Order: sequence, then structure tokens, then C-alpha cells
Amino acid sequence: DGGITQSPKYLFRKEGQNVTLSCEQNLNHDAMYWYRQDPGQGLRLIYYSQIVNDFQKGDIAEGYSVSREKKESFPLTVTSAQKNPTAFYLCASSMGVRETQYFGPGTRLLVL
Amino acid sequence: KQEVTQIPAALSVPEGENLVLNCSFTDSAIYNLQWFRQDPGKGLTSLLLIQSSQREQTSGRLNASLDKSSGRSTLYIAASQPGDSATYLCAVMGAGANNLFFGTGTRLTVIP
Repeated sequence: DGGITQSPKYLFRKEGQNVTLSCEQNLNHDAMYWYRQDPGQGLRLIYYSQIVNDFQKGDIAEGYSVSREKKESFPLTVTSAQKNPTAFYLCASSMGVRETQYFGPGTRLLVL
Repeated sequence: KQEVTQIPAALSVPEGENLVLNCSFTDSAIYNLQWFRQDPGKGLTSLLLIQSSQREQTSGRLNASLDKSSGRSTLYIAASQPGDSATYLCAVMGAGANNLFFGTGTRLTVIP
């Protein structure tokens, strides 16, 4: 069953803590993306990766980091430098960077 | 920077009605435009992708049109059903870009 999985569904972060959101795809897609969604705002791009071992900053990369060591996986770390991390995080993938993007179910991050 | 606007923010229609959702963008130099559907608390589902050289795309009861010169796209939904209730998002990829710019969406409610 092909698709994109994100875990966990809900994540709680304490002050000063780094947390990592998981994104895995078995669609054999080269490109992967992380977006942040806030109420009343459109999705905003955090990072994207066109191929393994390569990634580019999006519009709101500050306070976030990523890695792309495997084609199937693109984890996002929300660092303590991100002062307002509460949001809905969506991962997506596509065959190439200009192809149709397919989205995972999302992770909701809350701050304790 | 590309800005994408969707009006209205919310729309309620009785079941069976045909309806049009609007999307406008500020920079007409686009590569493609995508329409997505998002159910509450869920990820996005791709509905239609229109390349910059195309005028429209159809899938079942959905028809999306693109007028690049005026910076507008419409999503036409025929014979609406309660299951069509969701938020519809428009996203534009610029001609020289590798990422999508999203509108804030139109929340559609179809009343049985």
C-alpha cells in the first residue's frame, strides 16, 4: 500500500527541547517537502529536498533542521530556537520538484 | 514574491447546487497550479494540476480552469454533495521556483 506516513500524530514539546517529526514514503519519489500550517494562513514551506543528501531552505527555515540520508525518509527537527512551534506540520513528496505533490496525514505539535 | 488569494474564505450551499471557487495570484509567470482538498485535521489530497500551457483540467465532477494573463483560476464543482464539504486550497508554482505558494483556502459546506 503506497503512501506517505508521518509520526507521531500528536507531539508535545517542553521549553528548550528539540523534537523530531518523522516522514516516510514508499512511493519511490525523489523530492520531499516539509510545510507548516497555522490557522488562517496558507501552508508555508520549511525545507525541501530534491535528492538524497541534498536539501534547500524554504521560506521559514529558521529554528528547523532536516536530513535526507535515505530516499524514503525526510525527518524534521524542531529546535529550541523555534520560539513559536505550535502548528500542524505536513510532509509531502513528488516524483520531481515540479510534479504533483502528495501529502501525509500531518503531525500536530503542541508546546507544554 | 508570489501571493495567492482565495475568496470567499467560507461558502455554504445546498446539496445539488453547482458552485465555483476562486483563486487569484499576483505573478502570472507560473509553471503550474494545483487544487487540493483538506478535511479537518487531515493532510491534503491533490485534486487537479494544470500546467501553465493548459486552460483547464477535468476530473469527474470537478473542472479547474486557468487564465494566466489575468492571474486567476477557478474550481467548478458540479452537483455538490455533502461529502464535498472540506477546505479547498489553491497552490501555484512559479516559473523559476521549485516550491508551491498556497492560498488560505475556501471552507465549503454542502448542506443536505
